[in-house]
Amino acid sequence: DAEITQSPRHKITETGRQVTLACHQTWNHNNMFWYRQDLGHGLRLIHYSYGVHDTNKGEVSDGYSVSRSNTEDLPLTLESAASSQTSVYFCASRKRGQDTQYFGPGTRLTVL
Amino acid sequence: GQQVMQIPQYQHVQEGEDFTTYCNSSTTLSNIQWYKQRPGGHPVFLIQLVKSGEVKKQKRLTFQFGEAKKNSSLHITATQTTDVGTYFCGYLMTTDSWGKLQFGAGTQVVVTP
Repeated sequence: DAEITQSPRHKITETGRQVTLACHQTWNHNNMFWYRQDLGHGLRLIHYSYGVHDTNKGEVSDGYSVSRSNTEDLPLTLESAASSQTSVYFCASRKRGQDTQYFGPGTRLTVL
Repeated sequence: GQQVMQIPQYQHVQEGEDFTTYCNSSTTLSNIQWYKQRPGGHPVFLIQLVKSGEVKKQKRLTFQFGEAKKNSSLHITATQTTDVGTYFCGYLMTTDSWGKLQFGAGTQVVVTP
């Protein structure tokens, strides 16, 4: 079955380290998104991509980067992790022109 | 940009009771979507509304889009413990028709047996 996966599911890192969170979808969706979820803030968009080699900044993009080298993957990199980036991160994908957005299971990141 | 406010932020419901959660915008929306996130889980798409005054039902859930397309509601009848979770509304930003969703902060629902 087609799906969207994230890895790792849990990660503990130290301040200043570079961290990469993986997102992989098998639906061949053009659109992919990264969100972070914090209490009281709901889902905030970090970065998004509408296709291979296309990347765009969302509302909370500082300190994060993404790259899209193929349709299936959109890895999220924290260049130098900060404690403020402790959060749950969700990847999502959506077929262009369709209603439903599918979310991955999430990655819980703790920055000490 | 546009923002949507969800009210209430937190809802405590007795099993069997009805409740309603609201999603309000200061500007007209072209569409509204609702998602449910179970505790420890990920958001799952429930429905999309696009027409003024539109009403859609999914079993005990009734979704409505306001006549002015500035608000939406989700009404749950005879609440069950399976309704526990956080309900998010979101909309496709009109400046970007390819699919960027803006979400509200969510309504967290707790159900007491």
